[in-house]
Amino acid sequence: DVKVTQSSRYLVKRTGEKVFLECVQDMDHENMFWYRQDPGLGLRLIYFSYDVKMKEKGDIPEGYSVSREKKERFSLILESASTNQTSMYLCASSLLSGTVLPALTDTQYFGPGTRLTVL
Amino acid sequence: GIQVEQSPPDLILQEGANSTLRCNFSDSVNNLQWFHQNPWGQLINLFYIPSGTKQNGRLSATTVATERYSLLYISSSQTTDSGVYFCAVADFGNEKLTFGTGTRLTIIP
Repeated sequence: DVKVTQSSRYLVKRTGEKVFLECVQDMDHENMFWYRQDPGLGLRLIYFSYDVKMKEKGDIPEGYSVSREKKERFSLILESASTNQTSMYLCASSLLSGTVLPALTDTQYFGPGTRLTVL
Repeated sequence: GIQVEQSPPDLILQEGANSTLRCNFSDSVNNLQWFHQNPWGQLINLFYIPSGTKQNGRLSATTVATERYSLLYISSSQTTDSGVYFCAVADFGNEKLTFGTGTRLTIIP
């Protein structure tokens, strides 16, 4: 079975702090994704990566950056956390190799989520 | 970009009932997926169904791409079916996956 893990289930940070959210997948998947989920808005894509060191902006990249130095690990970084970044953050991975289009169409496997609160 | 709308937003049913969830999308797509998020937040892919009908146990899905909608059927609902159901479509023009806002299903014992 595919396993996608996230470093924390719950996280509380203060405004202005630098925040790292880590995601690791154990199935050698090519593609990894970061979403945020907010009530009434569904899931919105922040960034995704279809290869090591490659990244693509999603719908709402502002205020976030990502890092993918190794295939199995995809990190989401909040350079200076703000209260409007309080949300549930979900990481996902998918297998198909290639560029953007395979990444969008293949089955995505999700981690358990990190609920981040910024005070 | 493509707009994705789901209905109803909330659905409360007695255990054993059948339900139909709808996903409408604003443009032609050749990719549609259904997901279930359980009450603990775990999101699982149910179907990849760009067109036609697929069945998996008590769940089935139908997509009519030419009419821009997809339906998810749940028969003989169980309490474990509770959670939020999302559909998502791939917007190739803008190179992104767009999710609907979800249908929250609550099954009462």
